[in-house]
Amino acid sequence: SSELTQDPAVSVALGQTVRITCQGDSLRKYHASWYQQKPGQAPVLVIYRENNRPSGIPDRFSGSRSGITASLTITGTQAGDEADYYCYSRHSSGSHWVFGGGTKLAVL
Amino acid sequence: QVLLVQSGAEVRKPGASVKVSCKASGYTFTSHWMHWVRQAPGQGLEWMGLINPSGDYTMYAQKFQGRVTMTRDMSTSTDYMELTSLRSEDTAVYYCARDVSWSDLAWWLDPWGQGTLVSVSS
Repeated sequence: SSELTQDPAVSVALGQTVRITCQGDSLRKYHASWYQQKPGQAPVLVIYRENNRPSGIPDRFSGSRSGITASLTITGTQAGDEADYYCYSRHSSGSHWVFGGGTKLAVL
Repeated sequence: QVLLVQSGAEVRKPGASVKVSCKASGYTFTSHWMHWVRQAPGQGLEWMGLINPSGDYTMYAQKFQGRVTMTRDMSTSTDYMELTSLRSEDTAVYYCARDVSWSDLAWWLDPWGQGTLVSVSS
């Protein structure tokens, strides 16, 4: 089991807004980053240090944190956003790093 | 352009070892830690461990302690991950990923290698 908890699956209608959440005690202290993974591909960083986008990532991707919950929000969701999304952070003990279990996003 | 290029797919029998390489280019190799992550078929991402920029410190997930060794060759800007005593459950895609950090409060992995499939089967 992961020490960061994500919903296994989320769906969103094309063009709508979806929020993917990640919960864990470590998020009270450490910032999360988010990764998009499409089938057969390596993960790609989409959000770092909670709400920063790497170059090349569309501004419809945004991040936030409240308490022990980090969120990834996609506005105006496109068909190409259908993928698995993972959060990542350092464990609260500082002894290791951990991924959330992943959320499979379906765009309807 | 920052790039991580991993070695090709491997097939091993149970009990054997495998060593995966990750060649870095496009940045100062000795300025960044490197993490290793694996993904079993149909499963999520699993953090395995890391190695520091000078290659003299490693941290491994408890699950892999005693079976994994991460090393680096400064002369070729290449990181290595060796996993021993392989079992069928180790069948997975193994990724290297460059660490970027901020103020001891935030870490992110960018970029990732393309992945190396390790298959363990008798």
